[in-house]
Amino acid sequence: AQSVTQPDIHITVSEGASLELRCNYSYGATPYLFWYVQSPGQGLQLLLKYFSGDTLVQGIKGFEAEFKRSQSSFNLRKPSVHWSDAAEYFCAPPTSGTYKYIFGTGTRLKVLA
Amino acid sequence: DGGITQSPKYLFRKEGQNVTLSCEQNLNHDAMYWYRQDPGQGLRLIYYSQIVNDFQKGDIAEGYSVSREKKESFPLTVTSAQKNPTAFYLCASERWGLEAFFGQGTRLTVV
Repeated sequence: AQSVTQPDIHITVSEGASLELRCNYSYGATPYLFWYVQSPGQGLQLLLKYFSGDTLVQGIKGFEAEFKRSQSSFNLRKPSVHWSDAAEYFCAPPTSGTYKYIFGTGTRLKVLA
Repeated sequence: DGGITQSPKYLFRKEGQNVTLSCEQNLNHDAMYWYRQDPGQGLRLIYYSQIVNDFQKGDIAEGYSVSREKKESFPLTVTSAQKNPTAFYLCASERWGLEAFFGQGTRLTVV
């Protein structure tokens, strides 16, 4: 089945520490992939997207993600986490067409002062 | 500015009542979606529509109904048949195969 998996449900890091959130996919030769962020009580906002080409993708708020075909992964990274990054993060393919994706549980990030 | 708007932000429903959540987009997107979000369960797909006058059930459609009479609008009705409607509801739209745009959500509470 076509799907993405986020192995970590909760992640806690200290402010200023580096961050890596894991995402594994199981579909498509060249998948489209997105990372979204959801602050409490808000909708989801697109952080970054990968379609093809460069495997390192830059997004908003200082985030980046690296697509690794050999590992079927699209992990999200940030060199130095800020307290305002505390939120829930979702890795996802497009929702339309053959994917008919249902978002997973996401990864909830807690930032310690 | 283009975007997707959900209203109201908070909604209270009495037992046995039907309520309708509004979702409007001015992004000219064909596809629109309704998700339900409960703590610790991610987003679950209720209904989706890929074109005007057509919509499909998602995994948890029971107790919900939708319409898609206009491209811009995709309202969701939570009927009295939905026994546990308290949740956060998210509407999204998408240009085919690309990223989704989400509204700010409606929090529905049964009183």
